[in-house]
Amino acid sequence: AQSVTQLDSQVPVFEEAPVELRCNYSSSVSVYLFWYVQYPNQGLQLLLKYLSGSTLVESINGFEAEFNKSQTSFHLRKPSVHISDTAEYFCAVTINNNDMRFGAGTRLTVKP
Amino acid sequence: GAGVSQTPSNKVTEKGKYVELRCDPISGHTALYWYRQSLGQGPEFLIYFQGTGAADDSGLPNDRFFAVRPEGSVSTLKIQRTERGDSAVYLCASSRGLAGDTQYFGPGTRLTVL
Repeated sequence: AQSVTQLDSQVPVFEEAPVELRCNYSSSVSVYLFWYVQYPNQGLQLLLKYLSGSTLVESINGFEAEFNKSQTSFHLRKPSVHISDTAEYFCAVTINNNDMRFGAGTRLTVKP
Repeated sequence: GAGVSQTPSNKVTEKGKYVELRCDPISGHTALYWYRQSLGQGPEFLIYFQGTGAADDSGLPNDRFFAVRPEGSVSTLKIQRTERGDSAVYLCASSRGLAGDTQYFGPGTRLTVL
């Protein structure tokens, strides 16, 4: 069975600081990996995903994540965060059958 | 185009009652998913439809929960004899149904069982 662990439930950072949100997964087969974001009072939105190919994937708003097969990780990073990045971030994994397993989420709070 | 919609946005019911939650997927999406999100947790998979049939219902917690998608579009999640522990946000998502496809989520239905 596949599972996802997000190691930090809350991450407070100051504006313009770098941030890393950690995600580890367990699966005996190849997986697809996703990061979703939930802004306050909004629904879940895809941030970025890894299917195959280059292990580094990027989003349009400056986030990136690197798939590390040997460490079974898919950590999310941003070199300089903005107040508007304050949200809940969820790491998720699927295998061929498409049902998605989510981590418990990391609440990122960016302070001025 | 229109995204995934869910109705009602909020539902308050009494313990023991029956409830139905509706999901309208994005037009043309063959796959539809139901999740449950409790406070402080990530979404928990319940059931996945490919077309009209349930391809995977392994996440339904017990036989009080049932979902249908009779025409391969709109889906209804049905909960019988509701319990206080059923209180959560119920999320619906849809996708084209190909492996690795992005799932597009609706705003959710907040169910409160008193």
